[in-house]
Amino acid sequence: DVVMTQTPLSLSVTPGQPASISCRSSQSLLHSDGKTYLYWYLQKPGQSPQLLVYEVSSRFSGVPDRFSGSGSGTDFTLKISRVEAEDVGVYYCLQGVHLPITFGQGTRLEIE
Amino acid sequence: QVQLQESGPGLVKPSETLSLTCGVSGYSITSPYYWAWIRQPPGKGLEWIATIHYTWATYYNPSLQSRVTISVDTSKNQFSLKLDSVTATDTAVYYCARHPGNGGPDYWGQGTLVTVSS
Repeated sequence: DVVMTQTPLSLSVTPGQPASISCRSSQSLLHSDGKTYLYWYLQKPGQSPQLLVYEVSSRFSGVPDRFSGSGSGTDFTLKISRVEAEDVGVYYCLQGVHLPITFGQGTRLEIE
Repeated sequence: QVQLQESGPGLVKPSETLSLTCGVSGYSITSPYYWAWIRQPPGKGLEWIATIHYTWATYYNPSLQSRVTISVDTSKNQFSLKLDSVTATDTAVYYCARHPGNGGPDYWGQGTLVTVSS
């Protein structure tokens, strides 16, 4: 299985400040079709995960532009330019290239 | 707007079979998308269980494959999960979701908690 390793596992951020989460995969996520199937999700307390970013850097419908994704190969980053109170929850990365589909262990974001 | 809704018993006895159904509305299950089950034990992370396409192409997590069956009912626009011989470690919130062929889910159900206990 492809292991997805997120760092840090938790972070506490002051509103208005930036935040960054790293996700590293044990194998390249570049598919033979030229796309890289790395996704980012936010699971708010008591809710289902919601898609933030797909294929490394494309924001899903309705996702604020303060969220951005970057990276290639095996190293990826999710950045929040200015954290807001509504951004609290657990962030997960996911790889969809290799079966089984696997998730990172999650990064908990709290507001200071 | 795609909506998914899980249904099924919230309590299952050890060694019995867990059965869940996901009703899809606002979108035809006979589409290029795939349909998946994902679970999350209390306080833990997410685990992909299985995926199906309406053509009955199926994909399973090897860690669960010997106990899992995923199926689709196009006439009812729904798909289902069966997990045999459950133990307490199968206690989790079970989510159904839609995803493209090589991608992660874009729409998720609200999840249903299934507890395995006698």
